[in-house]
Amino acid sequence: GENVEQHPSTLSVQEGDSAVIKCTYSDSASNYFPWYKQELGKRPQLIIDIRSNVGEKKDQRIAVTLNKTAKHFSLHITETQPEDSAVYFCAANSNDYKLSFGAGTTVTVRA
Amino acid sequence: KAGVTQTPRYLIKTRGQQVTLSCSPISGHRSVSWYQQTPGQGLQFLFEYFSETQRNKGNFPGRFSGRQFSNSRSEMNVSTLELGDSALYLCASSLGGTSDGELFFGEGSRLTVL
Repeated sequence: GENVEQHPSTLSVQEGDSAVIKCTYSDSASNYFPWYKQELGKRPQLIIDIRSNVGEKKDQRIAVTLNKTAKHFSLHITETQPEDSAVYFCAANSNDYKLSFGAGTTVTVRA
Repeated sequence: KAGVTQTPRYLIKTRGQQVTLSCSPISGHRSVSWYQQTPGQGLQFLFEYFSETQRNKGNFPGRFSGRQFSNSRSEMNVSTLELGDSALYLCASSLGGTSDGELFFGEGSRLTVL
C-alpha cells in the first residue's frame, strides 16, 4: 500500500514569511495529491489538490508542486497570516483506490 | 446544502464495551469513508463504503466494522473496546470515491475509553 511521509511535524513562522511542507510517497501509480487544513477543533477541509499531469498549481497565497520522478510534493504558503495557523495534512492515492494521509504538520504563525 | 453530520459528538465508554457511531453524508454522495485521528498519527483510514458495499478497508483489527444503508448513511461499530481506541473518529463523504476527489468531513465523534 501507499506510504506517505510528511515533514516537518511542526513549523513556526513569522507573520509575512513563507511556509513549506514536504511529503514523499511510495506508490509510483499515485496520481492524486490533495492537501487538507484542520484548524483547532474543526474538521479537515481541502485547500488545494494536484493531479499527476501537472507539476504546479497555485491558488492565491498557496501553491503545490509535484515531482513524480522523485515521488515528492510540497505545499507552499506565502505571506503567512495568523489564520494560516492549523494542522496541514498531505495525502496521496494508490492503485487500490485508497487515500493515505501524512501524519500532519502543525503550523504556527507568530504575530 | 447540509454538510456531513456525525453523531454522537462525544462519548465515554469503558474497556470491553462496544460503540456505534453514525454518519450522514451530503445528499447525493454515495461514498462514505471513516478515519481514526490520534495526536501524531494523522488520519488513519478505516474503511470506505460505496452504494452499501465495503469498497476498501484499512489495517485495523476485525473489532472495527461498518455498514452503509440504502440512503447512504453509514455506521461504524467498535466491539470489545480497548484504551487505545480513544480517538477522534471522522467520517467523510464524496461523490465518487475517496481516492480522486474532494472529501467532505464531519466534525467527528470523540471517543474516550476508560
